[in-house]
Amino acid sequence: EIVMTQSPATLSVSPGERATLSCRASQSVSSNLAWYQQKPGQAPRLLIYGASTRATGIPARFSGSGSGTEFTLTISSLQSEDFAVYYCHHYYNWPPWTFGQGTKVQIK
Amino acid sequence: QVQLVESGGGVVQPGRSLRLSCAASGFTFSSNAMHWVRQAPGKGLEWVAVISCDGNNRNYADSVKGRFTISRDNSKNTLCLQMNSLRAEDTAVYYCARDPKGGYSYGWGAFDIWGQGTMVTVSS
Repeated sequence: EIVMTQSPATLSVSPGERATLSCRASQSVSSNLAWYQQKPGQAPRLLIYGASTRATGIPARFSGSGSGTEFTLTISSLQSEDFAVYYCHHYYNWPPWTFGQGTKVQIK
Repeated sequence: QVQLVESGGGVVQPGRSLRLSCAASGFTFSSNAMHWVRQAPGKGLEWVAVISCDGNNRNYADSVKGRFTISRDNSKNTLCLQMNSLRAEDTAVYYCARDPKGGYSYGWGAFDIWGQGTMVTVSS
């Protein structure tokens, strides 16, 4: 099973600032990496797939990078609606698929 | 519009069974692999099970293998999860999620559409 490790667990950021979230895979997942946003009481929403491709309707301030085992989600200028929990997820090859434990982005 | 709607959650005693359903609309259901993902209260996301677009292949997380069964009816655009021998640690919100690809030899993708979730509580 591929273990996904996210850091930090919590990120305190002021509105308008940049946020950088990290995700590390225990073995290579190539570019089969997605990022999701989840707000309280809501289902996860796909933000990024293929490590760097924005999903439909996702604002350009969200960007993803990386391949292999190291990945980054960057939010260039945080808006009030971006405060949420973010999960990375690999979909490489066979199951099981695994998620990171999440990074909570909160208001500083 | 593209939509997934789960139903069937509730409170159940340990050792009992429950059947969840997920109704799909707005897309060609038979073209997509489908997944169940769960989230225990205050915890992260855990993948549970997957079924291929044609229903011929399926896989499970070790935590539910032998107790849960995923199935689909492409004629009714419905995905199901039969949960037997339920345990307290199965308490969670259960989401169905669409894979943009068919699964297995058809390939895999990120989970692009999610339902709103249905809560399952296992308690005596």
